[in-house]
Amino acid sequence: NAGVMQNPRHLVRRRGQEARLRCSPMKGHSHVYWYRQLPEEGLKFMVYLQKENIIDESGMPKERFSAEFPKEGPSILRIQQVVRGDSAAYFCASSPLSGETQYFGPGTRLLVL
Amino acid sequence: GQQVMQIPQYQHVQEGEDFTTYCNSSTTLSNIQWYKQRPGGHPVFLIQLVKSGEVKKQKRLTFQFGEAKKNSSLHITATQTTDVGTYFCAGQIAGANSKLTFGKGITLSVRP
Repeated sequence: NAGVMQNPRHLVRRRGQEARLRCSPMKGHSHVYWYRQLPEEGLKFMVYLQKENIIDESGMPKERFSAEFPKEGPSILRIQQVVRGDSAAYFCASSPLSGETQYFGPGTRLLVL
Repeated sequence: GQQVMQIPQYQHVQEGEDFTTYCNSSTTLSNIQWYKQRPGGHPVFLIQLVKSGEVKKQKRLTFQFGEAKKNSSLHITATQTTDVGTYFCAGQIAGANSKLTFGKGITLSVRP
């Protein structure tokens, strides 16, 4: 049973470009969570999605950031017009049900030049 | 909003010493979870506590949930260099679709 998969593992973008981060949850998991981790910081919740629905996006910046979890395919976290402050590790986690243990992917390290 | 606090952020111990860290929530929790993240790695689930006063052990690690379900502790007996990493607690309040709120974590370093 493959774990949570994220790609790419490392992503370099120039200011103003778009970043697209993908997350495939564990098999059988329909709940996906995205977190951002700045160096030396904890995990900051961004968004919680179920298939085709955004359940809670209270941690997501209002502009430039969007997330989706389509019926088929991975969850996508999209950052438009990236700025240097977006440089961080972005982790995706999945769980079979709300409130259950979250299993984290290896993360995508985004570097904005 | 709900806050989960872990203080201090860093702790250094000599190998073989015991280590205890605490996690405090501003609100009553339905459950609390602990995760460990090794340097350069991703958070890995350790344990979940649900009942008031619950104590769970994993080898040298002992986890406790407070009676009021607002705080938790992690105790490591006789630390080893393999215990190095950042330990996060994450609390969840009752309610459907409730998210986990993570503390900032405590980074443990162990001197051999």
